[in-house]
Order: sequence, then C-alpha cells, then structure tokens
Amino acid sequence: DAGVTQSPTHLIKTRGQQVTLRCSPKSGHDTVSWYQQALGQGPQFIFQYYEEEERQRGNFPDRFSGHQFPNYSSELNVNALLLGDSALYLCASSLKLANEKLFFGSGTQLSVL
Amino acid sequence: AQRVTQPEKLLSVFKGAPVELKCNYSYSGSPELFWYVQYSRQRLQLLLRHISRESIKGFTADLNKGETSFHLKKPFAQEEDSAMYYCALRTGSGNTGKLIFGQGTTLQVKP
Repeated sequence: DAGVTQSPTHLIKTRGQQVTLRCSPKSGHDTVSWYQQALGQGPQFIFQYYEEEERQRGNFPDRFSGHQFPNYSSELNVNALLLGDSALYLCASSLKLANEKLFFGSGTQLSVL
Repeated sequence: AQRVTQPEKLLSVFKGAPVELKCNYSYSGSPELFWYVQYSRQRLQLLLRHISRESIKGFTADLNKGETSFHLKKPFAQEEDSAMYYCALRTGSGNTGKLIFGQGTTLQVKP
C-alpha cells in the first residue's frame, strides 16, 4: 500500500499563472482533504471532497478550486497565483468523511516567483 | 473564534527528562482534540486523540475543558521522540468537522 501519493513533489510558478496539484488517496479511502502549510505554520484546511463533491471549505478565496474523480483521486487548482500562495500543499485521505484519523501525503512544495 | 495555540516553537530536553508540550484551544462547542507528529523525513501522522484516552509511545494527553488545554506529556523522553508535534482541534458536529492545527512545537531530545 503506497499510502497517499501527491504529485509533483516540487513546482515553481510565476505570479498570475495557474497550477494543478494531484493526489491519490490511500487504498480504501474515499475522502480527500487539502491543506496549505506555510513555512513555520501548521496546516490550514482548504477544502474536503467526498463523492465527487466539495463538502467543506476553509477560508480560502475562489481562486482555490478542486475536483474529485470517480476513482477518489483529487486535484487542487489555484488560479492567478500570488507570492503568498507559496507553501507546502498537503493532501490527506480518510474514509466516509470521517476526520478522526487522517493519512497525509508528503506534500507538494509550491514556489511562486 | 476557533483557534489552537501552541506557545512554544521549540522545546529542548535531555533524554530521560519529563516532557510537556502545551496546547490551548478556543472553541465554543464540544471539542475533540488530537496530537499529530512528524518525524524527520516522514509524513504527518496521528499520534493520539483525546476521545480514545490512550497512551501511544508513552505519550498521554488529557483534555481539560476548564483550562481549555490538551497538553501532551511523557514522563521520560527518548531521543527517538525528537519531532515536530501539532495539536489539532476538530470543529463541527459528528466526526466530519475540519481540523484546525496549531503552529507546532519542535521537540528536541538531547542525549
């Protein structure tokens, strides 16, 4: 079991560009949550997907959007990138929306120049 | 406001010394608290949750609603305990609420 996998591991973009990050959940999991972790901070909840729908959302602008596919994998899209979007983006999976035990991926390190 | 505060960015102790990682929360509802840990070059993973009242790797944490705290304790620190520790609060009803993380505390256990 490979656990939660994220791609790419690192990404460099310039301001104004758009980016797509990808996540495959742990085998048997059907719920994916995305977190943003700025340097020196704890993870901050972006949104959660279950049954291909966004179920919960944190305090992030509409520039942040997502998608979940029938195979439970998920994408995080960020439009009109800002310097402040530079962070580690973590994907976490769980079963049936439950957040009692999240399994995290290694993250995608996004740098916006 | 819903918030988790970990007042110490770094806690440095010697092997065999007691450890207490502090966590305070702010939440008007019924809180559910967790401790997550990230060892060097590993992924963030769940250490323990208050509802289980369990001891994992010698660590325990008791929810104190009066003081709105959920401090993580271990009587005798080991070098392998060196890691980043995050306290997290689950908000919302049932088990589906989002997690709010603190800023994290780096525990350094010296030989």
